[in-house]
Amino acid sequence: GAGVSQSPSNKVTEKGKDVELRCDPISGHTALYWYRQSLGQGLEFLIYFQGNSAPDKSGLPSDRFSAERTGGSVSTLTIQRTQQEDSAVYLCASSLAQSNEQFFGPGTRLTVL
Amino acid sequence: EDQVTQSPEALRLQEGESSSLNCSYTVSGLRGLFWYRQDPGKGPEFLFTLYSAGEEKEKERLKATLTKKESFLHITAPKPEDSATYLCAVQAVGNAGNMLTFGGGTRLMVKP
Repeated sequence: GAGVSQSPSNKVTEKGKDVELRCDPISGHTALYWYRQSLGQGLEFLIYFQGNSAPDKSGLPSDRFSAERTGGSVSTLTIQRTQQEDSAVYLCASSLAQSNEQFFGPGTRLTVL
Repeated sequence: EDQVTQSPEALRLQEGESSSLNCSYTVSGLRGLFWYRQDPGKGPEFLFTLYSAGEEKEKERLKATLTKKESFLHITAPKPEDSATYLCAVQAVGNAGNMLTFGGGTRLMVKP
Protein backbone atom coordinates (compact mmCIF):
# COMPACT_ATOMS: atom_id res chain seq x y z
CA GLY A 1 0.00 0.00 0.00
CA ALA A 2 1.16 3.52 -0.75
CA GLY A 3 -0.43 5.29 2.21
CA VAL A 4 0.17 5.64 5.93
CA SER A 5 -1.10 2.62 7.84
CA GLN A 6 -2.05 2.40 11.51
CA SER A 7 -2.92 -0.47 13.80
CA PRO A 8 -5.09 -1.43 15.46
CA SER A 9 -7.99 0.43 13.88
CA ASN A 10 -9.92 0.16 17.14
CA LYS A 11 -8.77 -0.49 20.69
CA VAL A 12 -10.94 -0.85 23.77
CA THR A 13 -9.14 -1.03 27.07
CA GLU A 14 -9.80 -0.74 30.77
CA LYS A 15 -8.73 2.22 32.82
CA GLY A 16 -5.22 1.74 34.16
CA LYS A 17 -4.01 -0.58 31.38
CA ASP A 18 -1.15 0.28 29.00
CA VAL A 19 -1.74 0.48 25.23
CA GLU A 20 0.53 0.61 22.19
CA LEU A 21 -0.50 2.20 18.91
CA ARG A 22 1.49 1.60 15.74
CA CYS A 23 2.12 3.76 12.68
CA ASP A 24 3.78 2.69 9.44
CA PRO A 25 4.56 5.82 7.36
CA ILE A 26 4.79 6.18 3.60
CA SER A 27 8.04 4.66 2.40
CA GLY A 28 10.81 7.26 2.20
CA HIS A 29 9.06 9.82 4.37
CA THR A 30 11.55 11.05 6.94
CA ALA A 31 9.18 13.09 9.11
CA LEU A 32 6.46 11.46 11.20
CA TYR A 33 3.79 13.13 13.36
CA TRP A 34 1.27 11.96 15.93
CA TYR A 35 -1.96 13.90 16.50
CA ARG A 36 -5.01 13.29 18.68
CA GLN A 37 -8.59 14.05 17.64
CA SER A 38 -11.13 14.29 20.43
CA LEU A 39 -14.77 15.31 20.35
CA GLY A 40 -14.93 19.00 21.04
CA GLN A 41 -11.13 19.39 20.94
CA GLY A 42 -10.33 19.09 17.28
CA LEU A 43 -6.97 17.81 16.08
CA GLU A 44 -4.04 18.48 18.43
CA PHE A 45 -0.35 17.85 17.87
CA LEU A 46 1.39 15.33 20.13
CA ILE A 47 4.91 14.60 18.88
CA TYR A 48 7.15 14.87 15.84
CA PHE A 49 9.99 12.64 14.62
CA GLN A 50 12.70 13.47 12.13
CA GLY A 51 14.33 10.14 11.40
CA ASN A 52 14.55 8.33 14.72
CA SER A 53 14.87 11.41 16.89
CA ALA A 54 12.02 13.37 18.42
CA PRO A 55 13.05 17.02 18.55
CA ASP A 56 9.55 18.17 19.45
CA LYS A 57 7.63 16.42 22.21
CA SER A 58 5.83 19.55 23.30
CA GLY A 59 2.36 18.24 22.61
CA LEU A 60 2.47 15.14 24.79
CA PRO A 61 -0.23 15.76 27.41
CA SER A 62 1.46 13.95 30.29
CA ASP A 63 4.41 11.71 31.18
CA ARG A 64 2.12 8.71 30.67
CA PHE A 65 2.54 9.29 26.94
CA SER A 66 5.71 8.26 25.11
CA ALA A 67 6.68 7.43 21.56
CA GLU A 68 9.56 5.92 19.70
CA ARG A 69 10.57 5.39 16.12
CA THR A 70 13.00 2.74 14.98
CA GLY A 71 14.87 2.37 11.70
CA GLY A 72 13.50 5.70 10.56
CA SER A 73 10.22 3.99 9.75
CA VAL A 74 7.64 2.45 12.09
CA SER A 75 6.60 4.43 15.16
CA THR A 76 4.86 3.32 18.33
CA LEU A 77 2.87 5.58 20.63
CA THR A 78 2.53 4.15 24.15
CA ILE A 79 0.03 5.32 26.73
CA GLN A 80 0.62 4.00 30.24
CA ARG A 81 -2.06 3.71 32.93
CA THR A 82 -4.78 4.85 30.55
CA GLN A 83 -7.46 7.22 31.76
CA GLN A 84 -10.94 7.84 30.36
CA GLU A 85 -9.86 11.25 29.06
CA ASP A 86 -7.36 9.48 26.79
CA SER A 87 -10.28 8.20 24.69
CA ALA A 88 -9.85 9.72 21.24
CA VAL A 89 -8.77 8.96 17.69
CA TYR A 90 -4.98 8.91 17.40
CA LEU A 91 -3.78 9.93 13.95
CA CYS A 92 -0.35 9.51 12.43
CA ALA A 93 0.97 11.54 9.50
CA SER A 94 4.18 11.51 7.50
CA SER A 95 5.91 13.83 5.08
CA LEU A 96 8.88 13.74 2.71
CA ALA A 97 10.60 16.71 4.25
CA GLN A 98 9.83 19.30 6.88
CA SER A 99 8.32 21.73 4.45
CA ASN A 100 6.08 19.28 2.62
CA GLU A 101 2.47 18.34 3.08
CA GLN A 102 1.58 15.79 5.73
CA PHE A 103 -0.34 12.70 4.71
CA PHE A 104 -2.51 11.07 7.33
CA GLY A 105 -3.32 7.48 8.18
CA PRO A 106 -6.82 6.23 9.01
CA GLY A 107 -6.29 6.55 12.76
CA THR A 108 -6.72 4.33 15.81
CA ARG A 109 -9.90 4.84 17.80
CA LEU A 110 -9.05 4.31 21.49
CA THR A 111 -11.82 3.80 24.02
CA VAL A 112 -10.93 3.64 27.71
CA LEU A 113 -13.68 2.15 29.86
CA GLU B 1 0.17 31.28 20.13
CA ASP B 2 -1.04 30.15 16.72
CA GLN B 3 -4.83 30.07 16.37
CA VAL B 4 -7.17 28.87 13.63
CA THR B 5 -10.92 29.47 13.63
CA GLN B 6 -13.26 27.98 11.07
CA SER B 7 -16.80 29.07 10.28
CA PRO B 8 -19.49 28.03 10.05
CA GLU B 9 -19.27 24.91 12.21
CA ALA B 10 -21.87 23.25 9.99
CA LEU B 11 -23.27 24.08 6.59
CA ARG B 12 -26.21 22.52 4.78
CA LEU B 13 -26.48 23.08 1.04
CA GLN B 14 -28.72 21.86 -1.71
CA GLU B 15 -26.97 20.15 -4.59
CA GLY B 16 -25.77 22.87 -6.96
CA GLU B 17 -25.90 25.63 -4.33
CA SER B 18 -22.46 27.26 -4.25
CA SER B 19 -20.98 28.59 -0.99
CA SER B 20 -17.76 29.36 0.87
CA LEU B 21 -16.10 28.11 4.05
CA ASN B 22 -13.97 30.49 6.10
CA CYS B 23 -10.69 29.92 7.94
CA SER B 24 -9.33 32.80 10.01
CA TYR B 25 -5.83 32.45 11.42
CA THR B 26 -3.35 34.14 13.70
CA VAL B 27 0.24 33.03 13.35
CA SER B 28 3.60 34.68 14.05
CA GLY B 29 4.78 33.91 10.54
CA LEU B 30 2.98 31.76 8.02
CA ARG B 31 4.92 28.95 6.40
CA GLY B 32 1.82 27.41 4.81
CA LEU B 33 -1.93 27.03 5.10
CA PHE B 34 -3.44 23.64 4.42
CA TRP B 35 -6.92 22.39 3.61
CA TYR B 36 -7.94 18.81 4.31
CA ARG B 37 -11.13 16.86 3.80
CA GLN B 38 -12.17 14.27 6.40
CA ASP B 39 -14.84 11.65 5.91
CA PRO B 40 -16.40 9.91 8.95
CA GLY B 41 -14.12 7.24 10.38
CA LYS B 42 -11.19 8.18 8.15
CA GLY B 43 -8.05 10.26 8.42
CA PRO B 44 -7.80 13.74 6.87
CA GLU B 45 -7.18 13.76 3.12
CA PHE B 46 -4.89 16.48 1.78
CA LEU B 47 -6.49 18.99 -0.60
CA PHE B 48 -4.40 22.17 -0.95
CA THR B 49 -1.41 24.10 0.34
CA LEU B 50 -1.31 27.91 0.08
CA TYR B 51 1.86 29.84 0.88
CA SER B 52 1.29 33.54 0.24
CA ALA B 53 -1.50 36.11 0.15
CA GLY B 54 -3.22 36.24 -3.21
CA GLU B 55 -2.50 32.63 -4.04
CA GLU B 56 -5.33 30.44 -5.34
CA LYS B 57 -5.54 26.69 -5.94
CA GLU B 58 -8.32 24.73 -7.65
CA LYS B 59 -9.38 21.10 -7.75
CA GLU B 60 -12.62 20.05 -9.40
CA ARG B 61 -15.42 21.99 -7.65
CA LEU B 62 -13.13 23.39 -4.95
CA LYS B 63 -11.08 26.58 -4.97
CA ALA B 64 -8.96 27.79 -2.07
CA THR B 65 -7.84 31.39 -1.66
CA LEU B 66 -5.57 33.10 0.86
CA THR B 67 -5.25 36.58 2.37
CA LYS B 68 -3.00 37.73 5.22
CA LYS B 69 -5.67 36.92 7.79
CA GLU B 70 -7.94 34.26 6.32
CA SER B 71 -8.51 31.60 3.73
CA PHE B 72 -11.67 30.66 1.91
CA LEU B 73 -12.65 27.32 0.44
CA HIS B 74 -15.17 28.00 -2.31
CA ILE B 75 -17.40 25.13 -3.38
CA THR B 76 -19.03 25.55 -6.77
CA ALA B 77 -22.17 23.56 -7.63
CA PRO B 78 -21.56 20.98 -4.89
CA LYS B 79 -22.66 17.36 -5.15
CA PRO B 80 -23.72 15.01 -2.33
CA GLU B 81 -20.31 13.33 -2.51
CA ASP B 82 -18.74 16.61 -1.38
CA SER B 83 -20.33 16.06 2.04
CA ALA B 84 -17.51 15.83 4.60
CA THR B 85 -15.74 17.83 7.29
CA TYR B 86 -13.27 20.34 5.87
CA LEU B 87 -10.28 21.16 8.04
CA CYS B 88 -7.96 24.13 7.81
CA ALA B 89 -4.48 24.11 9.37
CA VAL B 90 -1.45 26.40 9.53
CA GLN B 91 2.27 25.80 9.73
CA ALA B 92 4.28 28.54 11.39
CA VAL B 93 7.73 29.77 10.46
CA GLY B 94 10.29 28.92 13.11
CA ASN B 95 8.36 25.90 14.28
CA ALA B 96 11.07 23.26 14.40
CA GLY B 97 8.79 20.37 13.65
CA ASN B 98 6.46 22.03 11.16
CA MET B 99 3.55 20.80 13.22
CA LEU B 100 0.08 21.71 12.02
CA THR B 101 -2.33 23.78 14.10
CA PHE B 102 -5.88 22.89 13.11
CA GLY B 103 -9.18 24.69 13.25
CA GLY B 104 -12.30 22.97 14.50
CA GLY B 105 -13.54 22.16 11.00
CA THR B 106 -16.68 22.84 8.99
CA ARG B 107 -19.10 19.95 8.55
CA LEU B 108 -20.62 20.23 5.08
CA MET B 109 -23.80 18.40 4.16
CA VAL B 110 -25.01 18.53 0.55
CA LYS B 111 -28.56 17.34 -0.03
CA PRO B 112 -29.59 15.90 -3.41
